[in-house]
Formats: sequence, C-alpha cells, structure tokens
Amino acid sequence: QKEVEQDPGPLSVPEGAIVSLNCTYSNSAFQYFMWYRQYSRKGPELLMYTYSSGNKEDGRFTAQVDKSSKYISLFIRDSQPSDSATYLCAMSGAGANNLFFGTGTRLTVIP
Amino acid sequence: EAGVVQSPRYKIIEKKQPVAFWCNPISGHNTLYWYLQNLGQGPELLIRYENEEAVDDSQLPKDRFSAERLKGVDSTLKIQPAELGDSAVYLCASSLDLGTQYFGPGTRLTVL
Repeated sequence: QKEVEQDPGPLSVPEGAIVSLNCTYSNSAFQYFMWYRQYSRKGPELLMYTYSSGNKEDGRFTAQVDKSSKYISLFIRDSQPSDSATYLCAMSGAGANNLFFGTGTRLTVIP
Repeated sequence: EAGVVQSPRYKIIEKKQPVAFWCNPISGHNTLYWYLQNLGQGPELLIRYENEEAVDDSQLPKDRFSAERLKGVDSTLKIQPAELGDSAVYLCASSLDLGTQYFGPGTRLTVL
C-alpha cells in the first residue's frame, strides 16, 4: 500500500464549478501538507502549504487537513479553464524534508 | 529571479547507452533534489543534497545511477547503462534548507 493515495481521475467540470480534490495517507508522522499544480510538460509548482490540521484559504483555493482521519482536500471555487492541470498532493514529516507525493489528479475545466 | 534550470529538456537514447542530466538550482538554495516521475505518477525522490553532501540516496539505484554536486551548486545525474524502464521524466528541485521545494521543468528521457 502506498503511503499517499490519490484518485487519478480524470476529472472534468464545467467552468465556474467547485472542484474537490482529495488524498488519504497512512503515515501519522506526516505534519506538512502541500498541493502542487503541474501543467503538461512542466515541473510541479507549489499551490498551497499547510502545517498540521486546519484550513487555509488563498483566493479561490482552500486547503483542508484532517489529521485524525488522515485526509486532506483542496477546493477550487469558480474554476477556470486555466485551472486545467494535474494536481498533486504531497506531504512530509517533522523535518519537512523528503516529500511523498500522490499520483496526481488530472483536472479539465470546460469553458 | 531565474528558477531551477534543467538540460536537456528531452533526450532519446538507445538502451545500454549512457545519459546525463544537468541541473542548476535557484541561486542561494543549498538543498537540491532529484526526482523520478513516471507517466501518471507523482514524483519519487532519488537523492537529496545538502550543499555538496548527499544526505539521502536510499532510493537511488546505485548499480546504474550516479549523481554529483560539485561545489554545492550545479548537479549532474547520470545513468549508465540506460534500460528501457528508465524512460521517465527526471525532475530537479531546490530549496533553502528544508523549506519550500521549487521544481525545474524536468528532462524527459526516452530509452529505445
């Protein structure tokens, strides 16, 4: 079993929809939780960064972490065609060093 | 500010040939990472450097893979000999200490 599980999709939504992306994990030592966005033929870029449990909002993006359930989510409000990309969750332990990634969810926002 | 630079962007070689990838991290970033990303998968760490020291190379297949980071700046990842299963994207990332990791565009390797 992988340490980080993520539904690979693909996920297609109409423009303006609310998107929910999720990951589960098994390692209770994870304390830092991140979401990366990866456009085709590009490297991943950091979108959201959360320490421990709780919510964090940045514009149209909200990240949630529930450590008791070992479950993290990313919500995208008012989705735009430019949000079409692969979204990777990633997490690390107390040293915040080595990242463990999910497989990524491929999102398409249809105009 | 320039991001992480990688070259080449694409490489096609025949199996059993050697290949090398180069990475120039963001200026001032002392920690450098090499990741392997297979199609439809997330990146997996191969090796992590702090300055010129490889502090985690537990996932690097040492029989055919090698890496170096001379002078604690640029880094080179080498495969010799390449196998069909090595076809993937090789990503380099850098960070200041153990902070946010910034990724380069990757080198897409195809082994025929």
